Amino acid sequence: EPEVTQTPSHQVTQMGQEVILRCVPISNHLYFYWYRQILGQKVEFLVSFYNNEISEKSEIFDDQFSVERPDGSNFTLKIRSTKLEDSAMYFCASSEAGERGEQFFGPGTRLTVL
Amino acid sequence: RKEVEQDPGPFNVPEGATVAFNCTYSNSASQSFFWYRQDCRKEPKLLMSVYSSGNEDGRFTAQLNRASQYISLLIRDSKLSDSATYLCVVNILNYQLIWGAGTKLIIKP
Repeated sequence: EPEVTQTPSHQVTQMGQEVILRCVPISNHLYFYWYRQILGQKVEFLVSFYNNEISEKSEIFDDQFSVERPDGSNFTLKIRSTKLEDSAMYFCASSEAGERGEQFFGPGTRLTVL
Repeated sequence: RKEVEQDPGPFNVPEGATVAFNCTYSNSASQSFFWYRQDCRKEPKLLMSVYSSGNEDGRFTAQLNRASQYISLLIRDSKLSDSATYLCVVNILNYQLIWGAGTKLIIKP
């Protein structure tokens, strides 16, 4: 069964550093998403991406964040100048269709900012 | 008012029992509805989409009441493996999913 994969599974970084989280969506999916979940809190939408551009982004997704699809398979989330409060699980998801499409999630990257 | 509201639980239920969760949403323009389950420190996994006519998948039944703006999930003959957090998810804007905080279910032997 095809699945979304994410690397690394755990990233530890110093405050102020830049991190890049990587995702490989399901191959025939066209819509990609990033979510985050702070420990013990609910899942929060960050951004959606379609046709090589951002479709929607939340208030959380400010200038500190960027996304890219550098090649035909990877989808990345870059966080610049990380802060302690960026520590969270970051989930990538993909869907075949857009607004009514069922989204399938990767296993997540646990980001710890020290 | 929260956009998607769920009883956080936990619901402690004996194995074999039937358990029901409700979820309310605030935006009447909501388009799509889903139930996800999330195991501790794991990714959310799609359990089922929720259709206006209601739908069933094995032991799981989902209902949507647009007039009252609530969604329900019924689990029959609960198994130990059903222990998880159940997340109610609503699509309000084009692609953005709005998540409830989840209801924790604990099935006891």
